[in-house]
This record gives sequence, C-alpha cells and structure tokens, in this order.
Amino acid sequence: GENVEQHPSTLSVQEGDSAVIKCTYSDSASNYFPWYKQELGKGPQLIIDIRSNVGEKKDQRIAVTLNKTAKHFSLHITETQPEDSAVYFCAANEDAGKSTFGDGTTLTVKP
Amino acid sequence: DTGVSQDPRHKITKRGQNVTFRCDPISEHNRLYWYRQTLGQGPEFLTYFQNEAQLEKSRLLSDRFSAERPKGSFSTLEIQRTEQGDSAMYLCASSFWLADYNEQFFGPGTRLTVL
Repeated sequence: GENVEQHPSTLSVQEGDSAVIKCTYSDSASNYFPWYKQELGKGPQLIIDIRSNVGEKKDQRIAVTLNKTAKHFSLHITETQPEDSAVYFCAANEDAGKSTFGDGTTLTVKP
Repeated sequence: DTGVSQDPRHKITKRGQNVTFRCDPISEHNRLYWYRQTLGQGPEFLTYFQNEAQLEKSRLLSDRFSAERPKGSFSTLEIQRTEQGDSAMYLCASSFWLADYNEQFFGPGTRLTVL
C-alpha cells in the first residue's frame, strides 16, 4: 500500500519568512496530492492540491510542487503570518479513493 | 448547506459499550469517507462509500466496526464493545467524484473517549 513520509515534524519561522514542508510517497499509481491545514479541535481543511499531470500550482502565498519521478511533493508558504500557525498534512490519493496522510508538520510563526 | 457535519462532536463511554456516530455529507456528494485520527498522527483511512455501496474497508476496521450509508446520503459508524484503544477523533469527509475531481472536504470530527 501507499506510504507517505512528511518532514519536518515541527517548523518554527519568524513572521514574514518562508516555510517549506516536504513529503515523499511510495506508490506511483497515486495521482492526486492534497495539502490540509488543521487547527486545534477542527477537521482538516483543504488549502491546495495538485494533480500528477501538473508540476507546480500557486494560490496567493501558497504553492505546491510535484516531482513524479522522485515521488516528492512540497508545500511552500511565503510571507508567513501568525495565523498560518497550525498543523499541516500532506496526502496521496489514487483516483479519488482513500487518501494516505503524512504524520503532519506543526508550523509555528513567531510575530 | 455549509459543509460536512458530524454528530455528536464528543462522546465519552465506558469500555464495552457500543457507540454510533453520524455524518451528513455535503449535498449531492456521492463519495463519503471515514478516517480515524489519534494525537500527533495524520488521519488513517477506515472505509469509504460511493452512494450506498461500500467500496473499500481498511484492515484497521475490525469486526467490531461497521459503517453504513443506507440511502446514499448520511452515514453511520458503529463501534461495538468499545476498547480504550478506540479513543480517537473520527473524521468524515465527502467528495463529488467525477473523473479527475478528487477534493475531499472534512467535517469537524467526533472525539471518542473510552474510559
């Protein structure tokens, strides 16, 4: 089955700096890679996603890159703000079936 | 309709009791997923439905767990003879599956504590 590894487990940055979170996956059949933000006591919220036929996608301060050959994908957050502080999860998915999640990255943005 | 809803939000039960959770997906979403999340971990897949058909179940879903989606709308997840290891957040998600359209939207979860 699919295995997703996520690094780092914790990340602390100064407000205004960039944050990068990296994930690797094992199953080459995975073709959809969502990223979620989870705040305390809430369910995961989709923030950006990328499909396997695309190498990069941007949405304002957030971007995701995908390297299918290396089975890597990354989340980039620029100009971080304190409200970006949360736990971020990457996931890999095949054909809208189950998603396999990484173990999460706790991002802290210091004002 | 504002999103996926789950009920109850919190459940405390004693070991050995049965519990049932409900999930109401976003209207017209044909796929519904159940995940379990423990502290410090990502969500783990349990099962999912397309309309009323259960398409896949995880090996995590022991005989004590059963899920239904009888009319292809809301779903229930029942845990029989609860154990302390069942304590977790149970998350429901839904999606409108159409070729290349995979977004899963999560509900707020039901936090289960087994004493």
